[in-house]
Amino acid sequence: DGGITQSPKYLFRKEGQNVTLSCEQNLNHDAMYWYRQDPGQGLRLIYYSQIVNDFQKGDIAEGYSVSREKKESFPLTVTSAQKNPTAFYLCASRDRSGANVLTFGAGSRLTVL
Amino acid sequence: AQSVTQPDIHITVSEGASLELRCNYSYGATPYLFWYVQSPGQGLQLLLKYFSGDTLVQGIKGFEAEFKRSQSSFNLRKPSVHWSDAAEYFCAVDPVLTSGTYKYIFGTGTRLKVLA
Repeated sequence: DGGITQSPKYLFRKEGQNVTLSCEQNLNHDAMYWYRQDPGQGLRLIYYSQIVNDFQKGDIAEGYSVSREKKESFPLTVTSAQKNPTAFYLCASRDRSGANVLTFGAGSRLTVL
Repeated sequence: AQSVTQPDIHITVSEGASLELRCNYSYGATPYLFWYVQSPGQGLQLLLKYFSGDTLVQGIKGFEAEFKRSQSSFNLRKPSVHWSDAAEYFCAVDPVLTSGTYKYIFGTGTRLKVLA
């Protein structure tokens, strides 16, 4: 079945370390997104990519970086510059030619120790 | 500014009771509208969507939503709640028709608790 795979599900990091969250989709979707979720704040957009080799900052991009070298993959790096990285991270994709519906992965929970 | 408001942070209902979750949006024109559901520690799943046409849309798991242009609302309803409906519900808009961007806007969510 087609879908989005996020890994790892849980990740612990020491302060000062960079970590990379993986997001892979086999839906052949053009657009991919990274959201951060904190209790009571809904979903906030970190980065999004409409096509390969192109991406745009979302509302809270500081301290994060992404790449889009392949259509299927959109990894997110949480850098040491991110002041409060402990959160639940969600990756999503959308078929731009279709119904404008976002398909989500199961999420990755990052905890900074 | 474009926004989506879910005024109820928490809602508690008894199993078998009816449910209505509120959503209001602020846009210059009617955007695409969505409701998603999220179980704890999981991703979001689409419940239903409105693009155009009939203002009452049916979704999965027995949910429906009604679009009211005059009130800029897109409220989610279910006639009889089941214990498995306990989750967090997000209203979202896709402003692509008005702004040309693909940046979904999500509400802050409503957490539903179901009493046995």
